[in-house]
Amino acid sequence: AQSVTQLGSHVSVSEGALVLLRCNYSSSVPPYLFWYVQYPNQGLQLLLKYTSAATLVKGINGFEAEFKKSETSFHLTKPSAHMSDAAEYFCAVRKNSGGSNYKLTFGKGTLLTVNP
Amino acid sequence: KAGVTQTPRYLIKTRGQQVTLSCSPISGHRSVSWYQQTPGQGLQFLFEYFSETQRNKGNFPGRFSGRQFSNSRSEMNVSTLELGDSALYLCASRGAGTAGELFFGEGSRLTVL
Repeated sequence: AQSVTQLGSHVSVSEGALVLLRCNYSSSVPPYLFWYVQYPNQGLQLLLKYTSAATLVKGINGFEAEFKKSETSFHLTKPSAHMSDAAEYFCAVRKNSGGSNYKLTFGKGTLLTVNP
Repeated sequence: KAGVTQTPRYLIKTRGQQVTLSCSPISGHRSVSWYQQTPGQGLQFLFEYFSETQRNKGNFPGRFSGRQFSNSRSEMNVSTLELGDSALYLCASRGAGTAGELFFGEGSRLTVL
């Protein structure tokens, strides 16, 4: 079964500082991996996805993530935090084995606070 | 292109009642999934429908049910509501990309008193 662990339920950074949100996955087969962002009282918005085409994935709003198979990690980074980045971020995994199972397994989420 | 639309956005029910939530997927998307989000359990998969057929089901009691119509719109129903059913219910439609990424609506926030 697939699982996702997000290290740190709460991360606080200063505006302009590097953002690093950690995600480790467990999957018996090569996975699809996703990062989503959720703003208060809203649904989830897709930031980026890993599909095995490239290990470094660029997403929206200046975020990117690197797939490292040896570390089973898919950490999310942004070089310079902006106040508008304050939100909750979720890492998710789906098994890449074909078929019709499109269920996503989500991590518990990391709440990002950006201080002025 | 309009996004995923969920109605109602907010609702309050009492224990023992039932509730029906509605979801309209992105135009052209034939798959709809439902997730429950709570502070304690996080995001949990309820079920997925594709072309009016339930493809997958999560580990929820039979009080939770769903259906999909020929126009891909979906409804989920929770009967005999319990306090623990208070949650944000998120609907997502799946694109045609190989990764199967999901596009979420803004959710229906259910409060059970």
